[in-house]
Amino acid sequence: GAVVSQHPSWVICKSGTSVKIECRSLDFQATTMFWYRQFPKQSLMLMATSNEGSKATYEQGVEKDKFLINHASLTLSTLTVTSAHPEDSSFYICSARDLGGANNEQFFGPGTRLTVL
Amino acid sequence: EDQVTQSPEALRLQEGESSSLNCSYTVSGLRGLFWYRQDPGKGPEFLFTLYSAGEEKEKERLKATLTKKESFLHITAPKPEDSATYLCAAGGYQKVTFGTGTKLQVIP
Repeated sequence: GAVVSQHPSWVICKSGTSVKIECRSLDFQATTMFWYRQFPKQSLMLMATSNEGSKATYEQGVEKDKFLINHASLTLSTLTVTSAHPEDSSFYICSARDLGGANNEQFFGPGTRLTVL
Repeated sequence: EDQVTQSPEALRLQEGESSSLNCSYTVSGLRGLFWYRQDPGKGPEFLFTLYSAGEEKEKERLKATLTKKESFLHITAPKPEDSATYLCAAGGYQKVTFGTGTKLQVIP
């Protein structure tokens, strides 16, 4: 149980294009999903917290107009990187918290490797 | 500001050589201390949650313990397949703060 999937697992795009990443909780419902990015040899940095049916809460320094988050259902959240640039190249990871779970742990997706040329 | 510090940054062990990883935290209103394992190019895999000082949890060769200021991940008789980066995270209900991880390499 507690499986989270991400799609795509990797994507290469040209500078200026937009990229959408999907995060799905496969066997549980998640009112809250989180989006992280991770640079090589660094830890996970929280970008935003996404609550189903409401606007995402962004961390300081994260541009909400550049990283659009939609949490349309209890099992799906999407992150769209708009007008991507090479500095946006990173490993993006989502996580979800089980609505019915007794604990607060987050379950992570496998990550999406974004490369912007 | 919440802080999580892990040590050492990297650890190299011979197969069967037991050791411990440290996670020091400063978090207001701690609701959970989490341990994850992360393999290269993959998302973190949940291992344990600890809630209160004195609590211990075990899974195969791993045992996690918690005090009011730090947590330890003890690895007993590690095998090469235990090689990974181990992440510690602490936080409240809405947000967790991650440490930078300990990269463990177990040599046959």
